[in-house]
Amino acid sequence: GAGVSQTPSNKVTEKGKYVELRCDPISGHTALYWYRQSLGQGPEFLIYFQGTGAADDSGLPNDRFFAVRPEGSVSTLKIQRTERGDSAMYLCASGRAQEDEQFFGPGTRLTVL
Amino acid sequence: DQQVKQNSPSLSVQEGRISILNCDYTNSMFDYFLWYKKYPAEGPTFLISISSIKDKNEDGRFTVFLNKSAKHLSLHIVPSQPGDSAVYFCAASASGSGNTGKLIFGQGTTLQVKP
Repeated sequence: GAGVSQTPSNKVTEKGKYVELRCDPISGHTALYWYRQSLGQGPEFLIYFQGTGAADDSGLPNDRFFAVRPEGSVSTLKIQRTERGDSAMYLCASGRAQEDEQFFGPGTRLTVL
Repeated sequence: DQQVKQNSPSLSVQEGRISILNCDYTNSMFDYFLWYKKYPAEGPTFLISISSIKDKNEDGRFTVFLNKSAKHLSLHIVPSQPGDSAVYFCAASASGSGNTGKLIFGQGTTLQVKP
């Protein structure tokens, strides 16, 4: 079956712009996670959704970052007033439940010029 | 504070030999540990995991060992194959009430298996 998909695969934007990154989880997976991976580092947790609600947003670095999952399936990570330091690979993962195996998408490479 | 550490950025082994990747953690609340493998331009893929109630878990060529007293785990790959060349991430999570299953990752170790 289809895995986790993320669009776009690459996004180049200018400092100060707004971006949206999309994640399509595996059908039926209720748990959805966003992670950010900087060069030479492991993925870092950003936010966790159980169904439609953000159950844990403790990893969001500041209020420029926001994520939604209005129907409990697709999720969008939104970044306002982008900064060069936001450049990273943004990874989405989904699972059947919160402590189940997480399946990762291929990521969106964000570059802020 | 880096709660999960992989102190070796890279490892090179000969095909057929054993690869040993190491990982240390500091948070005693972690009770579930995983290894993920990542190829370029792909997301991490799950490889093997171990619960803190065990000290060893084996799956084919892959074995994970957990030493709770030392807060250390290792991944053994025997025999190593060129297709195993990838970045390997160690990850940990804490279960139980109030925990969300979020994974805390190490920095990764790049394994190169030479033919």
